Amino acid sequence: GEDVEQSLFLSVREGDSSVINCTYTDSSSTYLYWYKQEPGAGLQLLTYIFSNMDMKQDQRLTVLLNKKDKHLSLRIADTQTGDSAIYFCAEREYNFNKFYFGSGTKLNVKP
Amino acid sequence: DVKVTQSSRYLVKRTGEKVFLECVQDMDHENMFWYRQDPGLGLRLIYFSYDVKMKEKGDIPEGYSVSREKKERFSLILESASTNQTSMYLCASSSGGSYNEQFFGPGTRLTVL
Repeated sequence: GEDVEQSLFLSVREGDSSVINCTYTDSSSTYLYWYKQEPGAGLQLLTYIFSNMDMKQDQRLTVLLNKKDKHLSLRIADTQTGDSAIYFCAEREYNFNKFYFGSGTKLNVKP
Repeated sequence: DVKVTQSSRYLVKRTGEKVFLECVQDMDHENMFWYRQDPGLGLRLIYFSYDVKMKEKGDIPEGYSVSREKKERFSLILESASTNQTSMYLCASSSGGSYNEQFFGPGTRLTVL
């Protein structure tokens, strides 16, 4: 399968910005996704970006895509304690419905 | 609201037992998926199905089988459970549309003793 890599942990203070990074290998990916998993729950789609876009903003969330470097990032502005969760980056295989997920980044927000 | 439900939140089984994990979705989605989630490894695809009675192996199908007799239901079967199958199992479904969001169930935490 394709490789999607993320760092495992990130710790920030409440009110700061968080930046979660992801690299992927499939250059034909059409959509890239960020999912959030709260403790004891399944994954929930946060946002996605189409591969012909560089940036997408949605309230406190900003997604940046560098297609040349195959690098995706999620910035959360004004991070709150409720943002503490595991964040998964995922890419969708071109023309198929298979997704490849990263290992997840556990975000810890300190008050 | 799309709903994906899984039959159990927690399950404890013994080595060698046959285990059934059930997943049901209520949005008439064509595609359904089974993943296992392990710390540091993220989600790994076990099997997926894009239609009734159709199934495709994912990245780690060994030791598992699946069944999709009805569109809304996708079952994961562990023929003879082993301790290395202790994990969190997540079911997902998607419509196959343009951006193709996957909707996840709450997960089943399976412990094999």
